[in-house]
This record gives sequence, structure tokens and C-alpha cells, in this order.
Amino acid sequence: GQNIDQPTEMTATEGAIVQINCTYQTSGFNGLFWYQQHAGEAPTFLSYNVLDGLEEKGRFSSFLSRSKGYSYLLLKELQMKDSASYLCAVRDSNYQLIWGAGTKLIIKP
Amino acid sequence: ETGVTQTPRHLVMGMTNKKSLKCEQHLGHNAMYWYKQSAKKPLELMFVYSLEERVENNSVPSRFSPECPNSSHLFLHLHTLQPEDSALYLCASSQTGALSGADTQYFGPGTRLTVL
Repeated sequence: GQNIDQPTEMTATEGAIVQINCTYQTSGFNGLFWYQQHAGEAPTFLSYNVLDGLEEKGRFSSFLSRSKGYSYLLLKELQMKDSASYLCAVRDSNYQLIWGAGTKLIIKP
Repeated sequence: ETGVTQTPRHLVMGMTNKKSLKCEQHLGHNAMYWYKQSAKKPLELMFVYSLEERVENNSVPSRFSPECPNSSHLFLHLHTLQPEDSALYLCASSQTGALSGADTQYFGPGTRLTVL
């Protein structure tokens, strides 16, 4: 079967750095997405990785290793507004999106 | 603003009621999706429409009935629901819905449905 694993919950301190991991076992790979979802709101697109390596977008970076079936989302200079759930999703060989259950990130002052 | 709107934002209904959820996208996309989101579970894809044709139906019970009158509007008609159907129902749209790895889905804020 196909599976996406993410930690259920993480806590970090304002101003710090946090890394949210995502491991996947899917039938084929056609890219990996990260979304942010604040409570009661729409998931919003953060990043898309299809090649190995690090993609940086301001305070957020996303890393992919296809050989290890592994990605992480790195958030720097954490702000209180970063408190949200972060969803990892992988597009498989049939171009279906396989979703993880999300990681709830709690930022403390 | 993601350009995808959903109404109503909250809905409480009895098991014998009939109601409809509405989604509208203002992004000029050709594909639209319905997802169910339950607490601590992955998003469950329910239906996919591409160019107004249903291209996917993931074994969803017949008490959920989608309708896509045009590429900008999507409805989910609900009847005789069960309490376990209580969840957040999300609508999304994407440019093509076709075989493209980078085809990104943009979501609406969802309808929080409670079935009593």
C-alpha cells in the first residue's frame, strides 16, 4: 500500500528553526507538495519538489531525497503566525495525490 | 485569498435532511475536486471533475452526489447522511487535472458539516 508518514505534532519556540519530516512509500513518484493549513482555513500551497535538493522560499525551505523517500520542510525565524498544520502530499505514478495526516506545529513565545 | 470560495462555511443537518454544498473557483482552472477532511486523518479524495466530466469517484457512498454544471462551479448534494459523515469538506481546483506532476491544487476554506 501507499503511505505518507509525518509526526503528528511538534512544538517550537518563536524565533527558532524547526524541521518537519515526511517519509513516503508510493508506487512511483511525480513530485512532492507541502501545504500549510491554519485551523478552520483552506490548505495553502507552500512548495513543490520533483528533483533532489533544497528549494528555498524566504523563511521556508523544502528538501527532497527521492532515493530515501524523504522530504523535510524547514521553517526559520519562527513567528506565532506559523502555528498551523503542515501537510505533505506525494504524486504517484498514476498522478494521484497521496496525502499525509499532517503535522500540527505549535509555536510558543 | 486562494480564489476558491465555498458556501456555507458551517452546516448542521439531521440524518433525513437534504442539503447542498457549493464551490466556486475564480482562477480559470479546468479541474475541480471534493475532499473530506477528518481530524488527524489524511485528506480523502471523493470526486474529480476535469472539463466538467467526472473522471474519478473514489467509492463514495451514493448519499453524496456531485454536480459540475461548468468549469467554475461544483456542488455536492447531500442526503440521508450518517453521523460519521461529519467532517470538513474541502473543494479544490487545479489548472489541468491531467497527467502533470506540477499541477497544483488550490483549496477553498471548506464547509464544516455536522450530522446529528
